Amino acid sequence: EPEVTQTPSHQVTQMGQEVILRCVPISNHLYFYWYRQILGQKVEFLVSFYNNEISEKSEIFDDQFSVERPDGSNFTLKIRSTKLEDSAMYFCACSSGRRKETQYFGPGTRLLVL
Amino acid sequence: DQQVKQNSPSLSVQEGRISILNCDYTNSMFDYFLWYKKYPAEGPTFLISISSIKDKNEDGRFTVFLNKSAKHLSLHIVPSQPGDSAVYFCAATPTSYGKLTFGQGTILTVHP
Repeated sequence: EPEVTQTPSHQVTQMGQEVILRCVPISNHLYFYWYRQILGQKVEFLVSFYNNEISEKSEIFDDQFSVERPDGSNFTLKIRSTKLEDSAMYFCACSSGRRKETQYFGPGTRLLVL
Repeated sequence: DQQVKQNSPSLSVQEGRISILNCDYTNSMFDYFLWYKKYPAEGPTFLISISSIKDKNEDGRFTVFLNKSAKHLSLHIVPSQPGDSAVYFCAATPTSYGKLTFGQGTILTVHP
C-alpha cells in the first residue's frame, strides 16, 4: 500500500538555525499539507498546498515558514529561524482528487529546538 | 480553538465488547468528518469518514454515526480487539480538500 514518507525522523537544532523537513507524498496525490503536534496538545494545521501554491495557511504559518515542491515528488517545510516553541512533531499529509477529504499522514519528524 | 472536542481523555474496554468514542463539534460549516487512529511515534492512520449528507457509515468493525442536529459523531468498534489500543482522533473539514481540525484525542485501551 502506498505510503507517505518523511525525513528525518528526528532533528535536533539550535534556536535560530534553519531546518528543512522533507516529505515524499503518495504518488499521484494532488493536495499536500503540513500539520504539527506540540507535546500534549492537539494536532494543528499549518498549511495546505495545491497546484504549486499555498491554498490555505494558519496563523502559526508566519514568515519564518515556507513550503516547496522542488522536484514534483518531494514536499518540504522550511523553518528559517527556529524558536524553542517550534519543538513539535511535524506531520506531512496528502490527499488524492478522488476521495479528497481523506488525508493520509506520514510518520512525522520530531523536531527539538534547544 | 475548541471547534472539535473529544470530552473523554480515555476509555477502557474488554476485548470482544463494543468501544464507543464520542466527538462534538461547534462549526456548522464542517462538511466531512474523519476518524484517525494513532500509535506513539507514528502518524495518524485514517480509519473511516462520513459526509454530512449521511448519518451512518460502516467499514468492517468500524461504524461512524453522525447526528447533525446535535453536532455529534461517534465511532463504534465491534468487537474490540487488543490491537485497537491507540489514541483516536476525530477531525472535521468544511470542504472536501480543506484543512482538518482535530479533537484532543481519546486513549482507547482494550484489555484481553
